[in-house]
Amino acid sequence: EAGVAQSPRYKIIEKRQSVAFWCNPISGHATLYWYQQILGQGPKLLIQFQNNGVVDDSQLPKDRFSAERLKGVDSTLKIQPAKLEDSAVYLCASSLTSGSGEQYFGPGTRLTVT
Amino acid sequence: AQSVTQPDIHITVSEGASLELRCNYSYGATPYLFWYVQSPGQGLQLLLKYFSGDTLVQGIKGFEAEFKRSQSSFNLRKPSVHWSDAAEYFCAVSGGSSASKIIFGSGTRLSIRP
Repeated sequence: EAGVAQSPRYKIIEKRQSVAFWCNPISGHATLYWYQQILGQGPKLLIQFQNNGVVDDSQLPKDRFSAERLKGVDSTLKIQPAKLEDSAVYLCASSLTSGSGEQYFGPGTRLTVT
Repeated sequence: AQSVTQPDIHITVSEGASLELRCNYSYGATPYLFWYVQSPGQGLQLLLKYFSGDTLVQGIKGFEAEFKRSQSSFNLRKPSVHWSDAAEYFCAVSGGSSASKIIFGSGTRLSIRP
């Protein structure tokens, strides 16, 4: 079974530029999550989708971050404009159902904002 | 509010020695508890989980964890570590329902001394 795919793996941008990350979850997984992991910290949930609907986006900075999951499969996370404090690893995860904790993580995208 | 504390930022143990990583949680009801491992440049992998029942749970790679309600702890153990166990370990808590997000601790970095 293929795992969660993410691209790109690394991205360097200047502040105020925009950037987009892509995630392809495990086939059949209804729930998709985007996490932000700042160096030295645990992952923090940004947004959770159930199929193509948003379940939780309470910690998503909506003035600059947006995410979508069209057709309930792939998802994109966008930052516009980026700030220095957005430098982090952005992890995508998926699960068959929500709440069970059995999430499968992709390798992440390391974003550096200069 | 639910929270997870991992008091040890970095631990070094000798190869073949036993390991215990500490985790304390704060949650109003019976939590769902997890341990994840993150190797450098990789996403997180679920080691084990506790939902209910036997308080000693077995996981992959020879790890086990014990849920102690009276101490609000869920410590991870391994009787004999291998060099390949060097990684970052995250404890996490969830309410278990579809509306419950997973809260991660800040992680413990494990180094193995040859």
